[in-house]
Order: sequence, then C-alpha cells, then structure tokens
Amino acid sequence: NAGVTQTPKFQVLKTGQSMTLQCAQDMNHEYMSWYRQDPGMGLRLIHYSVGAGITDQGEVPNGYNVSRSTTEDFPLRLLSAAPSQTSVYFCASSYSAGAGGAWETQYFGPGTRLLVL
Amino acid sequence: QQQVKQSPQSLIVQKGGISIINCAYENTAFDYFPWYQQFPGKGPALLIAIRPDVSEKKEGRFTISFNKSAKQFSLHIMDSQPGDSATYFCAAKPGNQFYFGTGTSLTVIP
Repeated sequence: NAGVTQTPKFQVLKTGQSMTLQCAQDMNHEYMSWYRQDPGMGLRLIHYSVGAGITDQGEVPNGYNVSRSTTEDFPLRLLSAAPSQTSVYFCASSYSAGAGGAWETQYFGPGTRLLVL
Repeated sequence: QQQVKQSPQSLIVQKGGISIINCAYENTAFDYFPWYQQFPGKGPALLIAIRPDVSEKKEGRFTISFNKSAKQFSLHIMDSQPGDSATYFCAAKPGNQFYFGTGTSLTVIP
C-alpha cells in the first residue's frame, strides 16, 4: 500500500492564482481530511469528508473548496490564492473503529509546501 | 480560540531523562485524545491515544496520563533517546473534527 499520497510536494503561486492540491489513499478509508500547518499554530482542520459525496467544513475553511467523488481521492482547491495561505498542507485519512463512524487513527500524507507570493 | 492548549513550546532533555508535555482542554464533548509525533519534512504519525474513561495508558516508553476532572492530559516519554527528538502534538476529537495543540519541539541531548 502507498498509504496517503499528496501532490505536488512544493508549489509557488502568485496572488490570485488558483490551484488544486491532490490527495489520494489506497486503504479504502471512509474519512479524509485536510489540514494546514503554520508555525506556532499546530495543525488546523480545513475540510473533511466522511464518505464519497459528503464534505463538511473544519476550523479554517474560507478560501478553500473540496469535493469527494470517490473514496480514494479528496482534492483541495484554492480559489484565489492569498499570501495568508502560505503554509504546509497535510491530507489525512481514517477508518471507522466501530458503529457510528468513530474515526480515530489518522494516517497523514507527506505534505505539500505552498508559497503564495 | 485554541481548543487544546499545549505546553511547553520547546523542551530539552538529557538522554535517559523523562520528557513531559502537557495539554489542557475545555470542551467536555471531546471523546478521544491522541498524541502525534512529527519529524522534520514528514507528516505527523500517531504515537499513542487514550479515551476519557481511562486515566493512564502505557505503550513501551510512552505513557499518557489523563485527568478528566481537571481536563488535562499529558505525554510522558521515559528514558528519552536522541531518536525521540521531534515535534509532538496533542489532539482531541468531538465527533468528526480533530483539534490539535500548537506542538512541542523536543530535543534529546546525548
């Protein structure tokens, strides 16, 4: 298993440009999520999905869109990049530990480092 | 507002010593408390986790202590090794959302 993969590893954007960060997992996990990691802020949840066709907002969703058309893929779209979106982005996936969707162990990808000029 | 408060921000420990990292929370709906370890340039990886019905959990050199009444939990790393040098994050989960602490950079000196 490749686990959770993310592309690209590094990207430079100009303010106002749009782009999609790709995330894929081959573990058949229902739950997938996107985080951003900034110095001194820890990881903050952007969006998450508990299954194909279902997405919801996390702590910091503004400026980002997601969709989940398949179990495997969960792309994150930056609509109009801003310097405040300079960060390291992590995708994670998880499976249900029991009935009711008790998502627990999260498996993180290697991250995408984004610089917005 | 930080849902999970983590301290200290950085920690230096001698090899063989005990590393202690603390976290505090307010939301009583939190039902799962994991600790993640992150090495530079890598994604976080689950280290150990606890549920609120247990006061302590030990896995090898790593122990979580959980105080439900005080809404605090801590990670203890016994016999700390240079290979433990990493950033550690506590987290908490109510339902489908995870909230992370701000991280502790641990350096273990040989």
